[in-house]
Amino acid sequence: AQTIHQWPVAEIKAVGSPLSLGCTIKGKSSPNLYWYWQATGGTLQQLFYSITVGQVESVVQLNLSASRPKDDQFILSTEKLLLSHSGFYLCAWSLNIYAEQFFGPGTRLTVL
Amino acid sequence: QQQVRQSPQSLTVWEGETAILNCSYEDSTFDYFPWYHQFPGESPALLIAIRPVSNKKEDGRFTIFFNKREKKFSLHIADSQPGDSATYFCAASVAGANTGKLTFGHGTILRVHP
Repeated sequence: AQTIHQWPVAEIKAVGSPLSLGCTIKGKSSPNLYWYWQATGGTLQQLFYSITVGQVESVVQLNLSASRPKDDQFILSTEKLLLSHSGFYLCAWSLNIYAEQFFGPGTRLTVL
Repeated sequence: QQQVRQSPQSLTVWEGETAILNCSYEDSTFDYFPWYHQFPGESPALLIAIRPVSNKKEDGRFTIFFNKREKKFSLHIADSQPGDSATYFCAASVAGANTGKLTFGHGTILRVHP
């Protein structure tokens, strides 16, 4: 069975500080991976998707970047956090771009 | 315009009733329509999904009705239980877009009273 793990579970950071969030999926080879952002009480917005190692496409610009250094790992980062970056960051995976997407447990980020 | 509209914003039903959640879209190239539910503090979980080859999909108490002509789809939750109380999101995507991008509605908060 596939398992998806996100780290950290929660983070409190200062405006202007750097950020790195991680996502790992086990039990599935070459999954499609996605990053989503959800404001408190809001909807989900896809940020990035990756079909293969080393390839990441941006869906929306939020002064964030993403990388896929390994087949099972997806990283979301920024060098300088904004207040607007606060929210719930979710990693998701699918078998391919046409298949159902399954979400990880998420990382709750508070920027002060 | 790639938008998915969801209604109502919130819905309260009694235990045992059927809850009906609605979504509509504008982009006729959308061809995959999932529903997710999200409990407070948790991540969204896939509930049920439909592709336009059919106009109805059932899974236990959950049924999607799809109307391609009117660009509408709805989720019916039969025999609603208090444990069904959650936020429900509909979504849509275009398989041919090669991105796997899901466009989500703004959610319906469902409360089921015992």
